[in-house]
Amino acid sequence: AQSVTQLDSQVPVFEEAPVELRCNYSSSVSVYLFWYVQYPNQGLQLLLKYLSGSTLVESINGFEAEFNKSQTSFHLRKPSVHISDTAEYFCAVSVIGSNDYKLSFGAGTTVTVRA
Amino acid sequence: GAVVSQHPSRVICKSGTSVKIECRSLDFQATTMFWYRQFPKKSLMLMATSNEGSKATYEQGVEKDKFLINHASLTLSTLTVTSAHPEDSSFYICSASSGGLDQPQHFGDGTRLSIL
Repeated sequence: AQSVTQLDSQVPVFEEAPVELRCNYSSSVSVYLFWYVQYPNQGLQLLLKYLSGSTLVESINGFEAEFNKSQTSFHLRKPSVHISDTAEYFCAVSVIGSNDYKLSFGAGTTVTVRA
Repeated sequence: GAVVSQHPSRVICKSGTSVKIECRSLDFQATTMFWYRQFPKKSLMLMATSNEGSKATYEQGVEKDKFLINHASLTLSTLTVTSAHPEDSSFYICSASSGGLDQPQHFGDGTRLSIL
């Protein structure tokens, strides 16, 4: 079985400051890793993913995440946040080779950006 | 990109009524769809996995007679909350799989269900 731990339930941050959201996972098999963002009263949108190759992955809106196999982590960072980044962020994993397409989610981190 | 449409976005109804929520994959065929429930400030709780043409697989603790799932076609799955009560009030989210492991699920925008 897989489990995902997001260590920070809430992260308040000032506009233009950096932010880091921590994600650790536990799995006995290899997994794909994802970060999803959820804006108020909306579904989830894929922010970025790690499948293979370079351990540093980037999104189009300035977020990046780094896969660290030895630490089983996939932390999300942004060097300078905007008010519009206020949202809920979920880390998730899926098992490589699984045909059920299931995702295991972390508990989520609420990011609140203040002016 | 893959689009999943969920309808209605919000519904308010009286206790005891049944409510149907639709989930459609608009530009791809979804052999597998998922239904989640999300409580305020909480993560997504998987309720059931729906495969086209077969019975849904429910997670432990989810009442299958309470939450009826139908996946009649490759583009449509429905969740019916039967005889809804206030404790069923929640945010329900569906997702659909296009069969790509690199993006296992595409999510709908959710349905806010409020039972009075």
